[in-house]
Amino acid sequence: KNEVEQSPQNLTAQEGEFITINCSYSVGISALHWLQQHPGGGIVSLFMLSSGKKKHGRLIATINIQEKHSSLHITASHPRDSAVYICAVRPNTDKLIFGTGTRLQVFP
Amino acid sequence: EAEVAQSPRYKITEKSQAVAFWCDPISGHATLYWYRQILGQGPELLVQFQDESVVDDSQLPKDRFSAERLKGVDSTLKIQPAELGDSAMYLCASSPVRNEQYFGPGTRLTVT
Repeated sequence: KNEVEQSPQNLTAQEGEFITINCSYSVGISALHWLQQHPGGGIVSLFMLSSGKKKHGRLIATINIQEKHSSLHITASHPRDSAVYICAVRPNTDKLIFGTGTRLQVFP
Repeated sequence: EAEVAQSPRYKITEKSQAVAFWCDPISGHATLYWYRQILGQGPELLVQFQDESVVDDSQLPKDRFSAERLKGVDSTLKIQPAELGDSAMYLCASSPVRNEQYFGPGTRLTVT
């Protein structure tokens, strides 16, 4: 069993829809990252969380440390949001453990 | 805005050949990571440097892979000889000590 599980693996949506991607993990962590990877391959860090909730534009990330669960929400989705979204956790080391990603496609 | 630079962006090589990738981290970032990402999977750490020293290379296939960061700034990852299973995206990231990681654009390697 992977230490970091994401769901769903693939997600399609119509422009404007509210989107939720989930991440569950099985290890104790000091931080959780949400990353965005476009087809070209480069990865952009969206959020780093250790508790509570963060918001940036149309993106919201929440984490529940007790339940070992985090969600990434996208409000008013747009085709340019189409990408792979990766959850990564940091145990009490510098090393990140990555999920396998959620592939999101938003259609106009 | 400062970015992690990687080159080349794409590389096609024949099996048994040698291949090298280069990474220039964000200035001042002491920690540098090399990851391998196989299609459809999350990145896997190959090697982590703190300045010029290797901190973690437990997942680096040392019979064919090598990595160096001689002056504690830019870094080179080498594969010799390349095998078909090495086809993947190779990502470099850097970070200030124990902080958010900044990723480069990656090098997509295809071994034929």
